[in-house]
Amino acid sequence: DAKTTQPPSMDCAEGRAANLPCNHSTISGNEYVYWYRQIHSQGPQYIIHGLKNNETNEMASLIITEDRKSSTLILPHATLRDTAVYYCIVNQGAQKLVFGQGTRLTINP
Amino acid sequence: EAGVVQSPRYKIIEKKQPVAFWCNPISGHNTLYWYLQNLGQGPELLIRYENEEAVDDSQLPKDRFSAERLKGVDSTLKIQPAELGDSAVYLCASSPRQGMTDTQYFGPGTRLTVL
Repeated sequence: DAKTTQPPSMDCAEGRAANLPCNHSTISGNEYVYWYRQIHSQGPQYIIHGLKNNETNEMASLIITEDRKSSTLILPHATLRDTAVYYCIVNQGAQKLVFGQGTRLTINP
Repeated sequence: EAGVVQSPRYKIIEKKQPVAFWCNPISGHNTLYWYLQNLGQGPELLIRYENEEAVDDSQLPKDRFSAERLKGVDSTLKIQPAELGDSAVYLCASSPRQGMTDTQYFGPGTRLTVL
């Protein structure tokens, strides 16, 4: 079973920052937080992952709370192409990803 | 760099027929995964290969599903016979090595419809 809780859907205006929350209150010390997204009719796409520290790459930023029980994925300037289902996954290693139902993010023009 | 290639992209068959899906992972990737994705759900792991060896097939329904990865490169997933409930998207993914945080790269999937 997935170890995370995400809102089923969110909306965001184009050009604004999209902030996607994820609760993982049972995370253990050696488990990472991964984010993937799945655009319609495509396979999932890796976005970012982190353990304790906040992370940033060309796609997004990942903010992990100090107690590691929740995190937020930030898409700084959302575009229509960011419309997708976003999955937050907690796992000890990337080899066995357990996907939940994710958050369906809709970017509105 | 070419991504994970899957074929066919779509397949429609009648129940009780056999079906096979093919996956070509990214060159040099030792780890290969097959996932099943039902409509409105996240992907579920069926089997994971490290080179030629199936190291995690606990979720593969072995009465009708089989998989192989000859020579540690391409892989085939087979269903025989197919049932109505097998209608889903079958995803293949690969990652470069047996690391703890290796990213998985997914193919576009094969959408199977069983009539």
